[in-house]
Amino acid sequence: KAGVTQTPRYLIKTRGQQVTLSCSPISGHRSVSWYQQTPGQGLQFLFEYFSETQRNKGNFPGRFSGRQFSNSRSEMNVSTLELGDSALYLCASSLLGQGGEQYFGPGTRLTVT
Amino acid sequence: QKEVEQNSGPLSVPEGAIASLNCTYSDRGSQSFFWYRQYSGKSPELIMFIYSNGDKEDGRFTAQLNKASQYVSLLIRDSQPSDSATYLCAPSSGYSTLTFGKGTMLLVSP
Repeated sequence: KAGVTQTPRYLIKTRGQQVTLSCSPISGHRSVSWYQQTPGQGLQFLFEYFSETQRNKGNFPGRFSGRQFSNSRSEMNVSTLELGDSALYLCASSLLGQGGEQYFGPGTRLTVT
Repeated sequence: QKEVEQNSGPLSVPEGAIASLNCTYSDRGSQSFFWYRQYSGKSPELIMFIYSNGDKEDGRFTAQLNKASQYVSLLIRDSQPSDSATYLCAPSSGYSTLTFGKGTMLLVSP
């Protein structure tokens, strides 16, 4: 069974721009969670989608948004990028979510200059 | 506010020794506990999970859970240099997402 895929793997953007990241979960998994990982803060939860609905949301500003499509693929968008948004963005898929085991994709390394 | 505490390390052990990684959590509603391993520059990989008090063994790895003390640990026997990574603890209440600790860096020297 194929794992979680994320595109692109690396991205360099300029402050003020916006970015869209994509995640395809493991086949059959309906829950997709997004995390931001930085050296100082560790893994921080952004949001979780299940069956196209946002089910949980972390403590991030409204510049961070996401959506999930009927095939469970998910995208997250960051508008008006700031230097502090530079991070590894990880997507994790789970069969049902709700605190069950999650499987991570390789991540997207975003650098904001 | 759910909190997960892990010693950031690094925890240094010689090859062949037992590495003991610890994690405490604040949410008494936590029912499931996951351990992830993250190599430098890579994404977290699920290596163990435990639901019941006591020990769970999987190869060289043993997870230990004490819900009364809100404490979960991971023991790695016969540590190998390839075990050098950051280990993340993630308790779950089963109703929301996982909450991750910041992880403990393990260094196994040959």
